[in-house]
Amino acid sequence: QKEVEQNSGPLSVPEGAIASLNCTYSDRGSQSFFWYRQYSGKSPELIMFIYSNGDKEDGRFTAQLNKASQYVSLLIRDSQPSDSATYLCAVPKKGGNNRKLIWGLGTSLAVNP
Amino acid sequence: ETGVTQTPRHLVMGMTNKKSLKCEQHLGHNAMYWYKQSAKKPLELMFVYNFKEQTENNSVPSRFSPECPNSSHLFLHLHTLQPEDSALYLCASSQEKLAGVDEQFFGPGTRLTVL
Repeated sequence: QKEVEQNSGPLSVPEGAIASLNCTYSDRGSQSFFWYRQYSGKSPELIMFIYSNGDKEDGRFTAQLNKASQYVSLLIRDSQPSDSATYLCAVPKKGGNNRKLIWGLGTSLAVNP
Repeated sequence: ETGVTQTPRHLVMGMTNKKSLKCEQHLGHNAMYWYKQSAKKPLELMFVYNFKEQTENNSVPSRFSPECPNSSHLFLHLHTLQPEDSALYLCASSQEKLAGVDEQFFGPGTRLTVL
């Protein structure tokens, strides 16, 4: 089992819809989770992090964490074409600190006008 | 602009060449990283430096040699590379915090092609 798994997509949604991106992880002891966005030809940028079970909202973005089921999701409400990018899930390496991240393959999102 | 610069942006080299990648951060951070990003593969952490000291070497082949002369500069020296080393090499920096998240800021990357 991969340490961090994401569906590579592409995930295609119409403009204005909710995009749902999922990430599962293998280390049950993981405490923090990060979502980065990477536009084509650009470098990753942090958009959300979450530590606690439940939901964390920031504007149109909501991160959902379920530690019992070992998954973390990112919801994007009112999706815009500018949200089209690859979304990377990252989890700190076991025994490490928040600096040593294990990354998922990323999910490619396409928002169609 | 994230405050992290990388040069060169593109590099083509033969397997017998020696070249270096340079990274500079203008954010006052105390940690710097090298990552490798290949097509169809997750981002791979290669090296981590904290206060100029290497704190992570993720089983990287010795043909990759990092150097961190100070907290603002990071180099990756390359020699006798293989074609499978062709990838995007990303530098990142972060500021260690006692609490909260160490957000990593990435540079634009160097696209390396090994012939």
